[in-house]
Amino acid sequence: SAVISQKPSRDICQRGTSLTIQCQVDSQVTMMFWYRQQPGQSLTLIATANQGSEATYESGFVIDKFPISRPNLTFSTLTVSNMSPEDSSIYLCSVRQVVDEQFFGPGTRLTVL
Amino acid sequence: GDSVTQMEGPVTLSEEAFLTINCTYTATGYPSLFWYVQYPGEGLQLLLKATKADDKGSNKGFEATYRKETTSFHLEKGSVQVSDSAVYFCALSDLQGGTSYGKLTFGQGTILTVHP
Repeated sequence: SAVISQKPSRDICQRGTSLTIQCQVDSQVTMMFWYRQQPGQSLTLIATANQGSEATYESGFVIDKFPISRPNLTFSTLTVSNMSPEDSSIYLCSVRQVVDEQFFGPGTRLTVL
Repeated sequence: GDSVTQMEGPVTLSEEAFLTINCTYTATGYPSLFWYVQYPGEGLQLLLKATKADDKGSNKGFEATYRKETTSFHLEKGSVQVSDSAVYFCALSDLQGGTSYGKLTFGQGTILTVHP
């Protein structure tokens, strides 16, 4: 399976600021995903990021709030913009290698004050 | 749309007890089914999977059978250990039902605590 790293692992941010989360994979992958896990909740898909095309956002998530970049087949970023306390969550990236298996990064724990 | 429902938790067991965590799903196509585990302070790990009806996924003593007739994928282990304490997520990936890009739909998670 792919080795996935995320930076930062955690951060505490002020309301109204933005944070960019990086996801690095040790091999080339076509499909990358960004998920949110709110405190005590399950995972919810934010968007799918494919190299060379615009990210596809799920219902309830918009590009202005969660802009995503995918410059190559091993890297992606997710920005959480104009943050509020409701954005406090764990943000995870994942990759799909085998046709129906996804592997997850360690997550970024974000706290917004 | 697709959905996954897990039994409510948390679940507390003594070591060597039998574990069942129920999972049922709704999907329009032919989903693959998964169990993921999240140990304290760690990310999600794929525990096991099944890709078609009657398949049995197994790993680390855990098993789950894909039951199309009951739309279920219950997780079982015959004898749990303290080290099995974690959050368990049931999930599905529907590649053939029109959902985009094979995304995962997760259940709400079940917290398992095993006492010595």
